Amino acid sequence: SAVISQKPSRDICQRGTSLTIQCQVDSQVTMMFWYRQQPGQSLTLIATANQGSEATYESGFVIDKFPISRPNLTFSTLTVSNMSPEDSSIYLCSFEGGRDSSTDTQYFGPGTRLTVL
Amino acid sequence: AQSVSQHNHHVILSEAASLELGCNYSYGGTVNLFWYVQYPGQHLQLLLKYFSGDPLVKGIKGFEAEFIKSKFSFNLRKPSVQWSDTAEYFCAVKEGGGNKLTFGTGTQLKVEL
Repeated sequence: SAVISQKPSRDICQRGTSLTIQCQVDSQVTMMFWYRQQPGQSLTLIATANQGSEATYESGFVIDKFPISRPNLTFSTLTVSNMSPEDSSIYLCSFEGGRDSSTDTQYFGPGTRLTVL
Repeated sequence: AQSVSQHNHHVILSEAASLELGCNYSYGGTVNLFWYVQYPGQHLQLLLKYFSGDPLVKGIKGFEAEFIKSKFSFNLRKPSVQWSDTAEYFCAVKEGGGNKLTFGTGTQLKVEL
């Protein structure tokens, strides 16, 4: 099946700064998604990354705080803007519909562990 | 809004014991159901899924799950666990026709030798 990677794997950032996380799949995929997993909590969908158009955000998440790009069918970025300690989480990218992958099943990347001081 | 409940947050078993992890969801319409597993230091991986048909589905590594529509449940089972099954297990639900996955809070399973 398609292979998904994320960069960076972890980072420690100062409050008020921004971090951009990259997600790369080794084949073209239909859908890409971004999730957050806060400490001790489950995964929460932030947004669906749409190729060539604005991302679709879930309730409680806004573009100004989490701008997302998806310039093509294999790549997406998530930026965590103006960070505060409450943004400390694991951020995960996922996809549906890749090479040899079911179109109705999401496959996840390794995640980016973000700590904001 | 859709919600998913996993009532067992931490489970400790001895090797060869039987496992059942509970998962209940709130949506009343058509659903697609998933169990994911995250082994220590690894990606979240798909364990098994149910879309339609036989409500008893079999996944990798001897795991199975049963969809009981009347109980809004999708419990995960394994007759005999191994030390290598130590991991965190997540139940997830997708409303039929949609893309959004709603996850449960996860169950941390520890299997002792």
